[in-house]
Amino acid sequence: LAKTTQPISMDSYEGQEVNITCSHNNIATNDYITWYQQFPSQGPRFIIQGYKTKVTNEVASLFIPADRKSSTLSLPRVSLSDTAVYYCLVGVNNAGNMLTFGGGTRLMVKP
Amino acid sequence: DSGVTQTPKHLITATGQRVTLRCSPRSGDLSVYWYQQSLDQGLQFLIHYYNGEERAKGNILERFSAQQFPDLHSELNLSSLELGDSALYFCASTGRATNEKLFFGSGTQLSVL
Repeated sequence: LAKTTQPISMDSYEGQEVNITCSHNNIATNDYITWYQQFPSQGPRFIIQGYKTKVTNEVASLFIPADRKSSTLSLPRVSLSDTAVYYCLVGVNNAGNMLTFGGGTRLMVKP
Repeated sequence: DSGVTQTPKHLITATGQRVTLRCSPRSGDLSVYWYQQSLDQGLQFLIHYYNGEERAKGNILERFSAQQFPDLHSELNLSSLELGDSALYFCASTGRATNEKLFFGSGTQLSVL
């Protein structure tokens, strides 16, 4: 089971690009890397998922180097509403593994 | 709306009591995961069920138990409650594929007084 390490917190300003890196040194061959966003008192919600290289969707990009031992979530031009906790999750669904979240990164976006 | 339904939304009870939290997964999802989130803490994995069978167990206390029924809804039973059990309890469901994302419910806020 791949353990993840993220910065505890980050501050940014509206309009800036934010990059949050997650380390997962013992990622397994079959593991996917998935990022979730959580607002207070709400369940986490999916942002983006990747296996290798770069993935982009309408809200974020995910960069994964060739060795897959880390990943970087990139949020372009953040707004106040992006203030939340961001979790990276490494693993495989339904494989008898625990899908264990790391501590998450608390992002504070300031005006 | 994630399609995952958790009831009740709030539960207030006393130490020593027993409660049952319910989770209805998205239509068609076979997997249910349970997580505990204490105040300002991360998500602690409790247990995972797939199509009625227990697939993985985390640091779930012996006072806690869960099951998934034939209609695929799941229940988390917490007994002999202690003050420290106060937390948000989330369930998440996902489909068959190994890379499917988790869909979380809105959680049950348990307060043990």
